[in-house]
Amino acid sequence: GENVEQHPSTLSVQEGDSAVIKCTYSDSASNYFPWYKQELGKRPQLIIDIRSNVGEKKDQRIAVTLNKTAKHFSLHITETQPEDSAVYFCAASIRYSSASKIIFGSGTRLSIRP
Amino acid sequence: DVKVTQSSRYLVKRTGEKVFLECVQDMDHENMFWYRQDPGLGLRLIYFSYDVKMKEKGDIPEGYSVSREKKERFSLILESASTNQTSMYLCASSLRGGLFFGEGSRLTVL
Repeated sequence: GENVEQHPSTLSVQEGDSAVIKCTYSDSASNYFPWYKQELGKRPQLIIDIRSNVGEKKDQRIAVTLNKTAKHFSLHITETQPEDSAVYFCAASIRYSSASKIIFGSGTRLSIRP
Repeated sequence: DVKVTQSSRYLVKRTGEKVFLECVQDMDHENMFWYRQDPGLGLRLIYFSYDVKMKEKGDIPEGYSVSREKKERFSLILESASTNQTSMYLCASSLRGGLFFGEGSRLTVL
């Protein structure tokens, strides 16, 4: 069936270094790929998204890349800061009947070491 | 700002009870979703709805049903709660794209 795989499940980086989280998806018709950040005890919040007609999108220290041929997309966080510590989820849209459903990866727990 | 409100933050129910989880959004979004979140499993889609009275099964619909009688309200129903339904339940809405989540309802079934 349709699925989204996410790696790694945990990631620890030194403050100031970069962090990369990778995801693959199975449905070649997927055309929307959002990323969510969930801080402890809080709801997931959208931090960046990309549509299939572009290959890269940046927003300050965060960037997302998409390789449609290989069916994978990645989140890049540069100059990491303590407030970047959270669980990050990738997701992909799956077209279904008259609507699209959003399927999530299993999450990456990112820890920033001071 | 989009507001998605879930009626109960914490619930404790007994095995076999019927459970209602309510979700209301205030932005006239067409699409609404129910997910459950368990450690190490991410967010798994239970049901979603793209219009009033329209519903589609997600990846784990067994043991659940939903109701969408009004555009702003999407209810999740556990007909007969079981211990393996102990989880965090997240409601979300969207127009075309990113999801806006409620704060979640943590359900414990004893």
